[in-house]
Amino acid sequence: EDKVVQSPLSLVVHEGDTVTLNCSYEVTNFRSLLWYKQEKKAPTFLFMLTSSGIEKKSGRLSSILDKKELFSILNITATQTGDSAIYLCAVRAGAGSYQLTFGKGTKLSVIP
Amino acid sequence: GAVVSQHPSWVICKSGTSVKIECRSLDFQATTMFWYRQFPKQSLMLMATSNEGSKATYEQGVEKDKFLINHASLTLSTLTVTSAHPEDSSFYICSAMGQGSYSNQPQHFGDGTRLSIL
Repeated sequence: EDKVVQSPLSLVVHEGDTVTLNCSYEVTNFRSLLWYKQEKKAPTFLFMLTSSGIEKKSGRLSSILDKKELFSILNITATQTGDSAIYLCAVRAGAGSYQLTFGKGTKLSVIP
Repeated sequence: GAVVSQHPSWVICKSGTSVKIECRSLDFQATTMFWYRQFPKQSLMLMATSNEGSKATYEQGVEKDKFLINHASLTLSTLTVTSAHPEDSSFYICSAMGQGSYSNQPQHFGDGTRLSIL
């Protein structure tokens, strides 16, 4: 059974701090790893990673994948209160599969 | 681009009512749509995968007669919760994926439907 584990489950930081969110996985026939941000409604897409060692960056957010060690990290620098959300990691695996297996998420709270 | 619209966003109804939720891809054609369910403080649980023009594939433990899925066009999938009961109350989210190689297509999510059965 495919498994995606995120840590920590929750995190409280002050504005301006840098945070690192972790996602490890155990799947058969890995295809890609995706990060989503979920605020009050449905998840919004952040990054999709398929290759090891290539950093994806969008503003203050960046992510990288390590396919040898089977994990990914999501970094947020200079955090703002608007970054408060649940960050979900999902993995697509299996030949011809479109399905995503989600982790439980990391709840990030950024306080002023 | 890649906007997915889900409607309604919130439904409150009596036990025994059937509720239909629509999921539309607004600016792309979605060959595959997914229906998820999310309980409070839990992650998304895949209920079923819907391919245009064919029967949906349900995950283990999901009753296909209870959760009817129709994907009649490349831009619309519907989920009907039949004879809903309080235990069906949840947050239902759809996602859609465009045409092309699945390996480079993220799923794009609708805003979800909060279903409350009294």
